[in-house]
Amino acid sequence: QKEVEQNSGPLSVPEGAIASLNCTYSDRGSQSFFWYRQYSGKSPELIMFIYSNGDKEDGRFTAQLNKASQYVSLLIRDSQPSDSATYLCAVNMDSGAGSYQLTFGKGTKLSVIP
Amino acid sequence: EAGVTQFPSHSVIEKGQTVTLRCDPISGHDNLYWYRRVMGKEIKFLLHFVKESKQDESGMPNNRFLAERTGGTYSTLKVQPAELEDSGVYFCASSQDRRWGEQFFGPGTRLTVL
Repeated sequence: QKEVEQNSGPLSVPEGAIASLNCTYSDRGSQSFFWYRQYSGKSPELIMFIYSNGDKEDGRFTAQLNKASQYVSLLIRDSQPSDSATYLCAVNMDSGAGSYQLTFGKGTKLSVIP
Repeated sequence: EAGVTQFPSHSVIEKGQTVTLRCDPISGHDNLYWYRRVMGKEIKFLLHFVKESKQDESGMPNNRFLAERTGGTYSTLKVQPAELEDSGVYFCASSQDRRWGEQFFGPGTRLTVL
């Protein structure tokens, strides 16, 4: 069974620190990887995607991908209280039916302490 | 540009009743997906439409669930008859490209079956 694993947390960091969120996936053939942020009671909001090995930076966010280790991470620099949310790692996996479906981890709850 | 919209936002029904959820994708997105999150679990894939065709319905729990996408525009997901275990949040998402495209999520419909 194809899986995505995340540490459920909670992860607490002080305001201004770097938050590091990690994710591993089982399907070696996966090609595209996404990080969603979900506030309580709200829908997932896409914040980063990455397709190639290495780092991808967007503002305070950096996504890192290592396909050999089947590992994806998200770094949030200068963390703010407004970053407090659940972060979902999602991997676009080939279902074998001409379709690709997002497989989600359970999410890591991040709390940024003022 | 309008995002993905879903209706209703909440639905409370009794076991054995029928409920129909609606999703309007982002204009121009051929790919439409349904996902579900039950309490305490990760978001799980239900099915994928490409235009009006069901590309993959491997995630549908059973034949009490029926999805349609008339004319390749909006989609409906009908649950008939509803059971207690169908309670959860049903999300719709859409994307331009099935393999590489980011999936954008709607606000979700919270279904409670009593």
